[in-house]
Amino acid sequence: GAGVSQSPRYKVAKRGQDVALRCDPISGHVSLFWYQQALGQGPEFLTYFQNEAQLDKSGLPSDRFFAERPEGSVSTLKIQRTQQEDSAVYLCASSRQGNEQFFGPGTRLTVL
Amino acid sequence: KNEVEQSPQNLTAQEGEFITINCSYSVGISALHWLQQHPGGGIVSLFMLSSGKKKHGRLIATINIQEKHSSLHITASHPRDSAVYICAVRGSSGGSNYKLTFGKGTLLTVNP
Repeated sequence: GAGVSQSPRYKVAKRGQDVALRCDPISGHVSLFWYQQALGQGPEFLTYFQNEAQLDKSGLPSDRFFAERPEGSVSTLKIQRTQQEDSAVYLCASSRQGNEQFFGPGTRLTVL
Repeated sequence: KNEVEQSPQNLTAQEGEFITINCSYSVGISALHWLQQHPGGGIVSLFMLSSGKKKHGRLIATINIQEKHSSLHITASHPRDSAVYICAVRGSSGGSNYKLTFGKGTLLTVNP
């Protein structure tokens, strides 16, 4: 009865490093979402996949952010040349068809 | 002005008190979600509402579509209810009916 899992749970990066954050959605969930949550704020939408297709990437803050879901299951959010303002919790959620979303525990990224 | 406004931002209560958290939104929606987030933890979905009222244990959620307002009530509050409660709305138009827009959250602390 696995839920959504994310790894790593915590990541510390030096400014300028590239990072990759992984999300394993619930098996069979078609929809997958990435959110960014800054300290003391609500989550903000980054991008949305339906199976392997990235249907909406309007929330990605810059071209340093890239997400993929090549086989329609596991997804990776990659941030290139990290900046201090990228420090946040990155949340992944999945759902069957865009209804109730099930959230993972998040990855807390700290950029020094 | 944010599309989703929550009040209060912070709430401290004594064990046993009746709690109300409010959410107002300014856009057309297809559904409203109430979510719970514990410190360092992921997000758990409490309710998904499109009309009326739902109850689960000591939690009650109501929504008034005409007034664009929802409330989350906790009866007989307990210290384990201490968490951040987040309101999120799902857009109604075809192009955005999968996307959640979140409030900033209400930090609830219930003292024994």
